[in-house]
Amino acid sequence: DTGVSQDPRHKITKRGQNVTFRCDPISEHNRLYWYRQTLGQGPEFLTYFQNEAQLEKSRLLSDRFSAERPKGSFSTLEIQRTEQGDSAMYLCASSLEGGGAADTQYFGPGTRLTVL
Amino acid sequence: QQPVQSPQAVILREGEDAVINCSSSKALYSVHWYRQKHGEAPVFLMILLKGGEQKGHEKISASFNEKKQQSSLYLTASQLSYSGTYFCGTEIEERGGADGLTFGKGTHLIIQP
Repeated sequence: DTGVSQDPRHKITKRGQNVTFRCDPISEHNRLYWYRQTLGQGPEFLTYFQNEAQLEKSRLLSDRFSAERPKGSFSTLEIQRTEQGDSAMYLCASSLEGGGAADTQYFGPGTRLTVL
Repeated sequence: QQPVQSPQAVILREGEDAVINCSSSKALYSVHWYRQKHGEAPVFLMILLKGGEQKGHEKISASFNEKKQQSSLYLTASQLSYSGTYFCGTEIEERGGADGLTFGKGTHLIIQP
């Protein structure tokens, strides 16, 4: 399978614990995006990387959220001190930057987080 | 600036047509259409970039108006497999496309046999 993969697919944690999710983009894609989706809503943009550079992080929901893409390949999203309101589906998408034209973003299957 | 989608939900019989609208208060750089089935990832349908553009994909097509503030998705002779939630994702022109997508709240489409 050459699509976007995410791990784990499901995570249940207790309030106050830290969690980390991993995303592996389509292999030649240089842009990687993180979104959050709650029930009945569209995906909400959080942050994105071009190669290893994080170009937008002002939409991260709080300073408890951080993301890295250390070698420009896979990325991790960490949530510290989880709260019940963090329960959601966390989606990763990747695209190939196309010289000025808008890029098609391809989504992974998501990680469903439940905070008890 | 979240785009507004309408209608919120549509119930059709197989073979009927549907139109889903996506409107923005600001001029858009691009409109991306996705379909999402319950518990699955959004699946890309098409992208529109130019005012006045129309493009199609089998029985699914879309338009982008000249002012680049409205897009419509057309589903013709709907099939059971078309059921799901349709989202438009947008980038506003003043940010030049260098950003993530802002999605509408979605349109739930149910196709009955």
